Amino acid sequence: NAGVTQTPKFQVLKTGQSMTLQCAQDMNHNSMYWYRQDPGMGLRLIYYSASEGTTDKGEVPNGYNVSRLNKREFSLRLESAAPSQTSVYFCASSDRQGVSPLHFGNGTRLTVT
Amino acid sequence: QKEVEQNSGPLSVPEGAIASLNCTYSDRVSQSFFWYRQYSGKSPELIMSIYSNGDKEDGRFTAQLNKASQYVSLLIRDSQPSDSATYLCAVRGTSYGKLTFGQGTILTVHP
Repeated sequence: NAGVTQTPKFQVLKTGQSMTLQCAQDMNHNSMYWYRQDPGMGLRLIYYSASEGTTDKGEVPNGYNVSRLNKREFSLRLESAAPSQTSVYFCASSDRQGVSPLHFGNGTRLTVT
Repeated sequence: QKEVEQNSGPLSVPEGAIASLNCTYSDRVSQSFFWYRQYSGKSPELIMSIYSNGDKEDGRFTAQLNKASQYVSLLIRDSQPSDSATYLCAVRGTSYGKLTFGQGTILTVHP
């Protein structure tokens, strides 16, 4: 009964380094999302995948790329990390579009120095 | 104007009181509305969803939706210290299931 699993839980990067945040869900959901959460800013959508094989930009996509590897997995890549990307990142999934709520993973706390 | 607006608080209520959390949204054709609770350092967890005008009750929680006024609220009756958290309002429009969040209201319930 894992739900949405994110790895890693914590990460520290130096400016310019790259990394990939992994996300997997076992609920057979069609849609998956990546959000970032910053103090006073709420949750902001980075990228989403409405279904396997599709990805689209959200509100704050610059500096990120995503891959929907299969129905279960949706990864977020930072090619050249910047201090402005210091944040908490949440992956989420949902079943039917337009109706179902999001189910969140436990988050990844990323610090870029 | 932000798409989804909440009073950031903090909102402080005594134990046993009713806590009232409010949210307004700008997209008139929004269809789905959710309230999430987030404890410090944790991920958001869904506590209520509402899709049509009126009230929806679940235990101590009542969600209220008024589409004409573009307003959704959450009432927490008999507030407990364990209800102390940030409450996020989320609204889904008509396209691709994207959920837009407000900035959250910090609620503190003091004994």
